[in-house]
Amino acid sequence: NAGVMQNPRHLVRRRGQEARLRCSPMKGHSHVYWYRQLPEEGLKFMVYLQKENIIDESGMPKERFSAEFPKEGPSILRIQQVVRGDSAAYFCASSPPREETQYFGPGTRLLVL
Amino acid sequence: GEDVEQSLFLSVREGDSSVINCTYTDSSSTYLYWYKQEPGAGLQLLTYIFSNMDMKQDQRLTVLLNKKDKHLSLRIADTQTGDSAIYFCAESPHSGYSTLTFGKGTMLLVSP
Repeated sequence: NAGVMQNPRHLVRRRGQEARLRCSPMKGHSHVYWYRQLPEEGLKFMVYLQKENIIDESGMPKERFSAEFPKEGPSILRIQQVVRGDSAAYFCASSPPREETQYFGPGTRLLVL
Repeated sequence: GEDVEQSLFLSVREGDSSVINCTYTDSSSTYLYWYKQEPGAGLQLLTYIFSNMDMKQDQRLTVLLNKKDKHLSLRIADTQTGDSAIYFCAESPHSGYSTLTFGKGTMLLVSP
């Protein structure tokens, strides 16, 4: 059973461009979480999704950020018109139904120039 | 709101025991976790403890929970250089689904 997969592992964007981060959960996991880790900080919760539903987006910035987890395919975290402050590591985690434990992917490190 | 605090740095010699401490504020925490992050890598789940437990042991790892003081610790016996990493404490206040609240991490440096 492959672990949580994220791609790309590294992403460089110029200010104003769009960033699309992908996350494929572990097989059998229907819950996906996105976290952001700023330099020398802990991880901060952004959004929690189940298939085709956003359950909790209380940690998402109000503008420019969106997330989806379609019926088929990976979960996508989309950042429009990126700014330098968006530079961070973005981690995805997944968990199976009715289980608390989250398993993390390797992260996508976004650098905005 | 929830808050998780950890000391930022710990240095030990190979073969010694390491104890990493964590305090949290949310009394409704149901699960408490320890994750390990090596440089440039994702988070590896090390162990977790349910809030109605006092202690959990898993090979070289011992987790102690003092729910009254909201204090969690991770003890690593016979620490090895491969244990050098950042260790994150995290708590989950909800049942049903968990949005983890993380501390800033403790950097453990193990010297030979």
